Amino acid sequence: AQSVTQLGSHVSVSEGALVLLRCNYSSSVPPYLFWYVQYPNQGLQLLLKYTTGATLVKGINGFEAEFKKSETSFHLTKPSAHMSDAAEYFCAVSDRGGADGLTFGKGTHLIIQP
Amino acid sequence: GAVVSQHPSRVICKSGTSVKIECRSLDFQATTMFWYRQFPKQSLMLMATSNEGSKATYEQGVEKDKFLINHASLTLSTLTVTSAHPEDSSFYICSARGQISYNEQFFGPGTRLTVL
Repeated sequence: AQSVTQLGSHVSVSEGALVLLRCNYSSSVPPYLFWYVQYPNQGLQLLLKYTTGATLVKGINGFEAEFKKSETSFHLTKPSAHMSDAAEYFCAVSDRGGADGLTFGKGTHLIIQP
Repeated sequence: GAVVSQHPSRVICKSGTSVKIECRSLDFQATTMFWYRQFPKQSLMLMATSNEGSKATYEQGVEKDKFLINHASLTLSTLTVTSAHPEDSSFYICSARGQISYNEQFFGPGTRLTVL
């Protein structure tokens, strides 16, 4: 069985500061990993995904994440936070290339301080 | 491209009634659709997976007689909550996967169900 752990249900950063959202996973096979963002009362928008190949993945809105197999991690970063980044962020894993439903972490609420 | 819609976006119903939620892939053919449930301020939990023309596969703990899923075409899946009760109130989100991108699911905007 696969699982996802997101450390920190709430993360608060100042505008312009580095954003770091942590995600660790467990999977019995090479995983496909995803980060999604959710704004209030809306569905999920894909930020980025790792399937195979390059372990540093760049996504939309300046976000990127690095797959580290040895650490079973897929942390999300952004060099400079913007007020519009305030949202809920979910890390998800699939062990069949997206063929199965995704297993989500509990989410991290990102707060941006002016 | 890769747009998924849900209808309705919000629904309020009385306890004991049934509610149908539609999930449509607007610009691609969805060979597989997924239904998730999200409780307030919590994560998404996979309820079931449906493949076009086949019976849905339900996750452990999800009552298939309670949550009826139909995937009759490559662009439409429906979730019917039968005999709804207040504890069924939740945010229901569908996603679709198709040949457009085999390893990515595209999510609908969600449906907020409130059962009085």
